[in-house]
Amino acid sequence: GAGVSQSPSNKVTEKGKDVELRCDPISGHTALYWYRQSLGQGLEFLIYFQGNSAPDKSGLPSDRFSAERTGGSVSTLTIQRTQQEDSAVYLCASSPPPGFGPRDTQYFGPGTRLTVL
Amino acid sequence: AQTVTQSQPEMSVQEAETVTLSCTYDTSESDYYLFWYKQPPSRQMILVIRQEAYKQQNATENRFSVNFQKAAKSFSLKISDSQLGDAAMYFCAYSPKNAGGTSYGKLTFGQGTILTVHP
Repeated sequence: GAGVSQSPSNKVTEKGKDVELRCDPISGHTALYWYRQSLGQGLEFLIYFQGNSAPDKSGLPSDRFSAERTGGSVSTLTIQRTQQEDSAVYLCASSPPPGFGPRDTQYFGPGTRLTVL
Repeated sequence: AQTVTQSQPEMSVQEAETVTLSCTYDTSESDYYLFWYKQPPSRQMILVIRQEAYKQQNATENRFSVNFQKAAKSFSLKISDSQLGDAAMYFCAYSPKNAGGTSYGKLTFGQGTILTVHP
């Protein structure tokens, strides 16, 4: 079946603009995660969704970052008033519910490379 | 807080040889998951192998196997018969085992090890 997809693959924006990054998880996967990968910080957890709820937003670096998930499927990560330090690869992952695959195992999308000029 | 340490920033191996990548972690939990992920230049993070902490038997997936030493909090990856396609960044990752049957598993990653395979 189809894997996790993310769009756009690459995004270049100017400092101060807002950006939206999209993630389509594997069909039927109830858990969805966002991570950020940057040279200085490595791989960092941002937020976790179970269905449409976000029980853990502890990794969002500032109030400029927000995310939502609709229909228990697609998720959008929004960064407002982008800064140069937001430049990174943003990775999305999804995980199947119990009984529908290796438990608590995350499958990743190809990521979106964000460059803020 | 959990931490994951990969002390080898870079490793290299000759094609068909065996290489071992090291990983140590710190946690106060007794049950959890450990993973190795591979990230080639395409950026796609690919699951290599998964280990549940309560299982004493080391996980294996074809040419990939782990040496899981729970007391030492060590989780190394052995790649046998290395192939050119194994060249990538390898990440060790930890996640807590969720409670109550709901799926939750925030991953904590190590810094990564770049593996080069020489023909």
